[in-house]
Amino acid sequence: DGGITQSPKYLFRKEGQNVTLSCEQNLNHDAMYWYRQDPGQGLRLIYYSQIVNDFQKGDIAEGYSVSREKKESFPLTVTSAQKNPTAFYLCASSIGLRGEKLFFGSGTQLSVL
Amino acid sequence: SQQGEEDPQALSIQEGENATMNCSYKTSINNLQWYRQNSGRGLVHLILIRSNEREKHSGRLRVTLDTSKKSSSLLITASRAADTASYFCATGSSNTGKLIFGQGTTLQVKP
Repeated sequence: DGGITQSPKYLFRKEGQNVTLSCEQNLNHDAMYWYRQDPGQGLRLIYYSQIVNDFQKGDIAEGYSVSREKKESFPLTVTSAQKNPTAFYLCASSIGLRGEKLFFGSGTQLSVL
Repeated sequence: SQQGEEDPQALSIQEGENATMNCSYKTSINNLQWYRQNSGRGLVHLILIRSNEREKHSGRLRVTLDTSKKSSSLLITASRAADTASYFCATGSSNTGKLIFGQGTTLQVKP
């Protein structure tokens, strides 16, 4: 069953702690993306990667870090520098490099304790 | 930055009626896409229209694109209660590979 798997579904972060959100895809897609969604809002792009070992900052990259060591994996770390991390995080992938037809995971809800 | 602005922010209709949502954007685009999101879930791709196309259909969905006005509309005909969701437009640039989303329209279809 092909798709994108995000884990965990719910995550709690203590002050000063770094946390990592997992995103795995078995669609053999080249490009992967991380978006942040705040309640009642649209999606804002955090980071995206078009090829292994390369990634670009999106519109709100500060306080976040990513890696792309494997084609199928694109984990997102929310660092302690991100002062307002509570949000719904969505990972996506697409076949080509033009951002056409994104496939989304089911999301991770991150909350601060 | 938010590229698209959607109108209305919320829409409530009766089952069987048509629903129209509009999206405006600011910069030149390669394509415009519409996505659907059920509450607390990921987004699902509905339809893509390229900058050289004016209208596209998919089942009960009809999308139009007016590049001179930098706007698009999504029409859902004969709506069903199961169409209740948030709908987002997203614009793509061939230069960057980025996809920028609008704020979304929340649609409620009452049975």
